[in-house]
Amino acid sequence: IQMTQSPSSLAASVGDRVTITCRASQSVYSYLNWYQHEPGKAPKLLIYTTSSLQNGVPSRFSGSGSGADYTLTISSLQPEDFATYYCHQSYDPPFSFGQGTKLEIK
Amino acid sequence: EVQLVESGGGLVQPGRSLRLSCVASGVTFHHYAMHWVRQRPGKGLEWVSGISWNSGSLGYADSVKGRFTISRDNAKNSVYLEMNSLRGEDMAFYYCAKDSQGGLFGSGWIDSWGQGNLVIVSS
Repeated sequence: IQMTQSPSSLAASVGDRVTITCRASQSVYSYLNWYQHEPGKAPKLLIYTTSSLQNGVPSRFSGSGSGADYTLTISSLQPEDFATYYCHQSYDPPFSFGQGTKLEIK
Repeated sequence: EVQLVESGGGLVQPGRSLRLSCVASGVTFHHYAMHWVRQRPGKGLEWVSGISWNSGSLGYADSVKGRFTISRDNAKNSVYLEMNSLRGEDMAFYYCAKDSQGGLFGSGWIDSWGQGNLVIVSS
């Protein structure tokens, strides 16, 4: 299953609302997860199975979607949110990731 | 708190072998599937391999199938990645990761990650 994220990079300001999209080459039946990755750190789970917020993740992060199309929304960007975000399908191995969206400060 | 600590990386010549290890703590290890994910220089995350709680199900990316072997020892809370016939394109940070469920095909998700271990393939 091929995962395509858009945009590949995004410049935004603190306080902005940001949406990242992820499209699979076939349905992944809501087994779509989102991770945040900062250089030199372990990736961090944000959202699992489309819309469930991982414990400890701020509520400004949310996910939605179905079938082959999914989105991650950050409602009000905070300084610590500037990182790279990946979608990941855990429906069918090989469990592919999107190519990543690098979120940069405008 | 789950802790995953990788080891075994380093410099290796093309065509040679290397074995990565990952030790887990803070978790009932034998309940969960485990994965290896890598990040090549300047690239995104790439799922490499996964193993179910009892080693009954294994999975591999096409790019490593036939060259890499995943295994686990539940008595040692450890998962391993044996990498043979290494190529330049295998050079990457390799992350050990824990699944939320025990089955590999049970549609869980990766919920914990190690800090990563660097493998350099160069002559």
